[in-house]
Amino acid sequence: DADVTQTPRNRITKTGKRIMLECSQTKGHDRMYWYRQDPGLGLRLIYYSFDVKDINKGEISDGYSVSRQAQAKFSLSLESAIPNQTALYFCATRPGGNYGYTFGSGTRLTVV
Amino acid sequence: AQSVAQPEDQVNVAEGNPLTVKCTYSVSGNPYLFWYVQYPNRGLQFLLKYITGDNLVKGSYGFEAEFNKSQTSFHLKKPSALVSDSALYFCAVRDMGGENNDMRFGAGTRLTVKP
Repeated sequence: DADVTQTPRNRITKTGKRIMLECSQTKGHDRMYWYRQDPGLGLRLIYYSFDVKDINKGEISDGYSVSRQAQAKFSLSLESAIPNQTALYFCATRPGGNYGYTFGSGTRLTVV
Repeated sequence: AQSVAQPEDQVNVAEGNPLTVKCTYSVSGNPYLFWYVQYPNRGLQFLLKYITGDNLVKGSYGFEAEFNKSQTSFHLKKPSALVSDSALYFCAVRDMGGENNDMRFGAGTRLTVKP
């Protein structure tokens, strides 16, 4: 099993629909992150969480919400999807200290 | 605020030649610096990091990077490129001293190694 699992891998949804992207990790790390990737823009941080009771907005949180259901689970919701939210979404986790991220394989979301 | 710039969208090299992928950064304190690689339809994979110590850092797959504090750069290098090195490369920075110590990524550089 992958260290960081994202579901679904691909999703096409209609404008105005609510959609949830899920992420679970088996690394035992406290810190979890949601990024979106757009061509030419790299990865931009949407939300992050340092533990179950801690949720923080990133650069581009408008139009998104998150839920940290457990240490291992961090889900991202689009309350009312719009076409400019079409992107590749990555979940990541890391321990505290001088460590990099472990990323999931991504969810490709298309809003039509 | 921390930021990263990768000035080249695309780098093309011939197999066997040395490669360099450039990265410059801006932080208010001391930086943690990272390189990640992304292969098609995959998530990002960690290549190497600079935290402190030697300015030349060695990482996975024969890659290395040189931290230059005066030039605020962290360029990725490999002495002899392979076709299999073709991928999208991201530089990232985190400010050691910042309260909000998330990681900021560059826009990415697509490396193409031609046989």
